[in-house]
Amino acid sequence: KAGVTQTPRYLIKTRGQQVTLSCSPISGHRSVSWYQQTPGQGLQFLFEYFSETQRNKGNFPGRFSGRQFSNSRSEMNVSTLELGDSALYLCASSFQGSEQYFGPGTRLTVT
Amino acid sequence: GENVEQHPSTLSVQEGDSAVIKCTYSDSASNYFPWYKQELGKRPQLIIDIRSNVGEKKDQRIAVTLNKTAKHFSLHITETQPEDSAVYFCAAGSSGTYKYIFGTGTRLKVLA
Repeated sequence: KAGVTQTPRYLIKTRGQQVTLSCSPISGHRSVSWYQQTPGQGLQFLFEYFSETQRNKGNFPGRFSGRQFSNSRSEMNVSTLELGDSALYLCASSFQGSEQYFGPGTRLTVT
Repeated sequence: GENVEQHPSTLSVQEGDSAVIKCTYSDSASNYFPWYKQELGKRPQLIIDIRSNVGEKKDQRIAVTLNKTAKHFSLHITETQPEDSAVYFCAAGSSGTYKYIFGTGTRLKVLA
């Protein structure tokens, strides 16, 4: 099976802009979770989707949002970008929510 | 709130020695504990996991132990090899909430 894919792999944006990241899970996986990875904070949970429904979310401001489509592909959006949003954004897919398999990530740089 | 503490933050061992990484979680509802290995510039990869109804699980040179009473779980790597060098993350979560809290990572260096 093909692994989890994320697009784009790299992105440079300026403060105040908005960005949309995409994640395609492993075929048959219906759960997609998103994480922010930074050197200082490690991996922090953003939100999890299953069958187009958000089942849980982390402690991030409302500028971070997501959605999931009927084919299980997921997108996350960050509006009004801040310098502190620079990070590696990882998505992970799983069959029902436990054993998670990560994508390669999208490296976002905000200038 | 929910928290996972991971120690040590860095660990250097000689090739062939054992390495132990420890994590403590705060949410008593946690029932699933995965471990991930992340090599430089690569994605985290699931290497082993344990559920709360099991005290120990082993897969070749890797083992994980869980003490639910103390809310501790540990990763044990025996006969370490240079290719074991990476950052290791523990995580704790509940299959009911689908939210996983990660530790801050341990950078393991295996010296040849």
